[in-house]
Amino acid sequence: SQQGEEDPQALSIQEGENATMNCSYKTSINNLQWYRQNSGRGLVHLILIRSNEREKHSGRLRVTLDTSKKSSSLLITASRAADTASYFCATDAGSGYSTLTFGKGTMLLVSP
Amino acid sequence: KAGVTQTPRYLIKTRGQQVTLSCSPISGHRSVSWYQQTPGQGLQFLFEYFSETQRNKGNFPGRFSGRQFSNSRSEMNVSTLELGDSALYLCASSSGKAAQLVYEQYFGPGTRLTVT
Repeated sequence: SQQGEEDPQALSIQEGENATMNCSYKTSINNLQWYRQNSGRGLVHLILIRSNEREKHSGRLRVTLDTSKKSSSLLITASRAADTASYFCATDAGSGYSTLTFGKGTMLLVSP
Repeated sequence: KAGVTQTPRYLIKTRGQQVTLSCSPISGHRSVSWYQQTPGQGLQFLFEYFSETQRNKGNFPGRFSGRQFSNSRSEMNVSTLELGDSALYLCASSSGKAAQLVYEQYFGPGTRLTVT
């Protein structure tokens, strides 16, 4: 079963614009992670935010976490065509160890 | 460090056959997780191994099994293949120590299994 639900399911923007993706989850978490997947390939870890953090930055990425609303957002600034990919949020659902529960993802298309 | 490798990259099997997929984690990583990805169900957790022990298992039938060797390499086996087993199977490794929080995971490129 999916823990996270990303919104929107698909997003199409032009290069240079910002892209915002949202993720909602159902149960309490220890941390939330965002991953990127280029067409049919493995996932690449982007950023991890812990439940006691509210915001985190990594290069052009900004992630926020609101545990009261059980939601997170991923902002990609000044997007590039190379950012075209599917983006997934994943939570540990409080289970510990290395088990992640993924949402269904947001497909981002950045046009030149 | 070399990344996570998975073999084979592509497989075509017939219903009723069995298949074994292999995963070599990043050197030093002792946790290996397996996920199944399909268009309909998305990414679903299969199982996780740490130091040769299965620590966690997802909601999959007993036809799906796995193991981990002393060098942390892992294999997963699917017996009596069904059409619905067609999927991208992803392996991920992490440094995940026992009784610690979830760590970031490093994924391999996946094995694309097609069952005909």
